[in-house]
Amino acid sequence: NAGVTQTPKFQVLKTGQSMTLQCAQDMNHNSMYWYRQDPGMGLRLIYYSASEGTTDKGEVPNGYNVSRLNKREFSLRLESAAPSQTSVYFCASSEFPGINYGYTFGSGTRLTVV
Amino acid sequence: AQSVTQLDSHVSVSEGTPVLLRCNYSSSYSPSLFWYVQHPNKGLQLLLKYTSAATLVKGINGFEAEFKKSETSFHLTKPSAHMSDAAEYFCVVSREYGNKLVFGAGTILRVKS
Repeated sequence: NAGVTQTPKFQVLKTGQSMTLQCAQDMNHNSMYWYRQDPGMGLRLIYYSASEGTTDKGEVPNGYNVSRLNKREFSLRLESAAPSQTSVYFCASSEFPGINYGYTFGSGTRLTVV
Repeated sequence: AQSVTQLDSHVSVSEGTPVLLRCNYSSSYSPSLFWYVQHPNKGLQLLLKYTSAATLVKGINGFEAEFKKSETSFHLTKPSAHMSDAAEYFCVVSREYGNKLVFGAGTILRVKS
């Protein structure tokens, strides 16, 4: 069982470069999420997709865009990377919107912007 | 709005001794509460969750947590620490039917041999 797969695992970008973080889940979950993790701040929600075809902003959406490509895949794009976006990014999925169903997290993408 | 405060950023225990990781929450709704664990360079794994059923919740790997509404606390405990418990632990709160989890800042647990 792969669960939630994120690619790449590590990335270094120069300021102003763009990139897309990929996330795929094989559990037939309806909802998917992107979080960023910064030291001493826990995880903060960037964007989420309650179901295929819908996306909504989370707590810290500025500088990011997302695409729910299909039910399995949910990508996060940085159009013009900034040093403040240096972080560890986690994708997660759940069977339905709502926390009673539990979240499954990927292993993360460590992004450094120089 | 919901919020979570983890009272200790670091906790150090000896192997075989009890573990206590403290969490206080603030919520204007009936909260659902979770503990997640993150081992180094890994994703987050759900340890246990409280969703308005029994106030004492048992999770995986011998962990449990007690929901105390009067104290707005949801502390995580384990009777006997194991070296493999060394990790970062996150207390999380959400509304019962919300899409959004609010994470605490995390507590790093160190287990000494």
